[in-house]
Amino acid sequence: GQQVMQIPQYQHVQEGEDFTTYCNSSTTLSNIQWYKQRPGGHPVFLIQLVKSGEVKKQKRLTFQFGEAKKNSSLHITATQTTDVGTYFCAERDSFGGATNKLIFGTGTLLAVQP
Amino acid sequence: SAVISQKPSRDICQRGTSLTIQCQVDSQVTMMFWYRQQPGQSLTLIATANQGSEATYESGFVIDKFPISRPNLTFSTLTVSNMSPEDSSIYLCSAYGGRESGANVLTFGAGSRLTVL
Repeated sequence: GQQVMQIPQYQHVQEGEDFTTYCNSSTTLSNIQWYKQRPGGHPVFLIQLVKSGEVKKQKRLTFQFGEAKKNSSLHITATQTTDVGTYFCAERDSFGGATNKLIFGTGTLLAVQP
Repeated sequence: SAVISQKPSRDICQRGTSLTIQCQVDSQVTMMFWYRQQPGQSLTLIATANQGSEATYESGFVIDKFPISRPNLTFSTLTVSNMSPEDSSIYLCSAYGGRESGANVLTFGAGSRLTVL
């Protein structure tokens, strides 16, 4: 089946530093989504990327989809304490035929020290 | 976007008992998804609940352990049966209905945190 690996598993940064998490799939993706889960909360949708090489920005967050559509990244510029949480990429399962289920990556936990 | 209400938000259960989690969506949705999130881990899909048919379970999850009901297009339940401490997790209900029209964006309930003693 599909596997979606994220690195790093955990990152601790000083407030103001940049942060990047990477998502790698064993298969070509039709699209990739990113979610954020605050401590004690539930995952909340951030963005969806569809096109090869696509780059989208949300304020200090930059999302990129790889040219081969097998990897993606999320970069946060000048982190703030409000960025704390676990960031998940998620891909639609393409193994075994048409389906609408989402497979979540392993996640990256971001800690920001003020 | 869809609003999903889930209850209970948390519970402490005794080994061998069963607990049913309820999930209510404020709009009609075709599919609802039940995920499990063990402490410090990612989300693992348990099953997809379709109205009018049996749920589709993922590898490693069986109906006897996690029976699911889907009586209508706005409601679903997940039962965790014959619980053991290994079932201590957060169980999350979700459905499509995000702010991007036409996109497969999952909206989640707040989750049910189960602790099995």
